[in-house]
Amino acid sequence: DTGVSQDPRHKITKRGQNVTFRCDPISEHNRLYWYRQTLGQGPEFLTYFQNEAQLEKSRLLSDRFSAERPKGSFSTLEIQRTEQGDSAMYLCASLSSEERYGYTFGSGTRLTVV
Amino acid sequence: LAKTTQPISMDSYEGQEVNITCSHNNIATNDYITWYQQFPSQGPRFIIQGYKTKVTNEVASLFIPADRKSSTLSLPRVSLSDTAVYYCLVGDTGRRALTFGSGTRLQVQP
Repeated sequence: DTGVSQDPRHKITKRGQNVTFRCDPISEHNRLYWYRQTLGQGPEFLTYFQNEAQLEKSRLLSDRFSAERPKGSFSTLEIQRTEQGDSAMYLCASLSSEERYGYTFGSGTRLTVV
Repeated sequence: LAKTTQPISMDSYEGQEVNITCSHNNIATNDYITWYQQFPSQGPRFIIQGYKTKVTNEVASLFIPADRKSSTLSLPRVSLSDTAVYYCLVGDTGRRALTFGSGTRLQVQP
């Protein structure tokens, strides 16, 4: 297991289209997080899962965004009816139950809405 | 949630020691202090985590005073490859997701 994998690395979509991103966490990590980052800003928390349960969701998260983690393994983040303001890097991170080594982030999916 | 304040940017030269201080006045009893490093177009990378006093690993040291209202990340003998954004995060990952601030942009010159 080489770390957290995200797919795709880049996505260009037209405004109004739906997009879905996938994250494969480190296999023994039971917690999975989604963050969004725009240029020059720190990552902004979106939501997190412990196993398959979605435990926390940012109040900033529009209802166009939905995330799932079936069976507590990989996760998907879907954005419906994309807007130009959704253009950002979407980062996934996982965390072991020991917590001592912090989040392990993937390389992110860069979304561009045109 | 504990709010953190750190310098927006810092400059240094290769071979120097760099100290980045983070203020977190309303840190809670169960909160840990964690630092991350981020290069352009990559996800943040864990550097070090501590609760109190001093923690050292192969990459950095973290100094936390007794009142825990601040912390200092120390990078010994920086190189050009240490040019990155450094984030200080405070929180209890057992309860809530961590919140990133804007970080400190470190520029290392030759």
